[in-house]
Amino acid sequence: DAGVTQSPTHLIKTRGQHVTLRCSPISGHKSVSWYQQVLGQGPQFIFQYYEKEERGRGNFPDRFSARQFPNYSSELNVNALLLGDSALYLCASSLQGWLDTQYFGPGTRLTVL
Amino acid sequence: GQQVMQIPQYQHVQEGEDFTTYCNSSTTLSNIQWYKQRPGGHPVFLIQLVKSGEVKKQKRLTFQFGEAKKNSSLHITATQTTDVGTYFCAGPNTGTASKLTFGTGTRLQVTL
Repeated sequence: DAGVTQSPTHLIKTRGQHVTLRCSPISGHKSVSWYQQVLGQGPQFIFQYYEKEERGRGNFPDRFSARQFPNYSSELNVNALLLGDSALYLCASSLQGWLDTQYFGPGTRLTVL
Repeated sequence: GQQVMQIPQYQHVQEGEDFTTYCNSSTTLSNIQWYKQRPGGHPVFLIQLVKSGEVKKQKRLTFQFGEAKKNSSLHITATQTTDVGTYFCAGPNTGTASKLTFGTGTRLQVTL
């Protein structure tokens, strides 16, 4: 079975731009979570979706938004990019949610110049 | 809010030495999960502990969940260079924002 896939792998943007990151969960998994990992730190929770509904939101500004599609894939959108948004963005899928094992994708490395 | 701290932040050992990382949560956890992240990679699930006082072993790795379900430890016996990476514990936050809170991580370096 395929694991969690994310696209793109790497991305370079400039301040003020908008970015969309994509994630496809493991087949059969209905929950997708998004994390931001700044170099040298642990992943920080951004959003969790289950059955297309937002089930959790971390301490991130409204510039961050996400959605989950009927096929359980997900998009993370970030508007008005700041230099501080440069990070590895990780998507994790699980059967039902945050109490379950999280299976991480390879991540999208976002650099904001 | 919930905080999950790990010590040490970094440890450098010689191959064959033992290694332990400790995880402490500010709140009681329903479960604790451990992940390993290799340099340049993504977190990979290792194990989940649920019961108070639970001990689980995976080959050279031993995981413990504290009696009060607020702390945990990971012990590696006779480290190998393949153990290099950052080890994170993570606990669910059952507050208003349902989420998984990751610890600060312990970076392990193993040299010959």
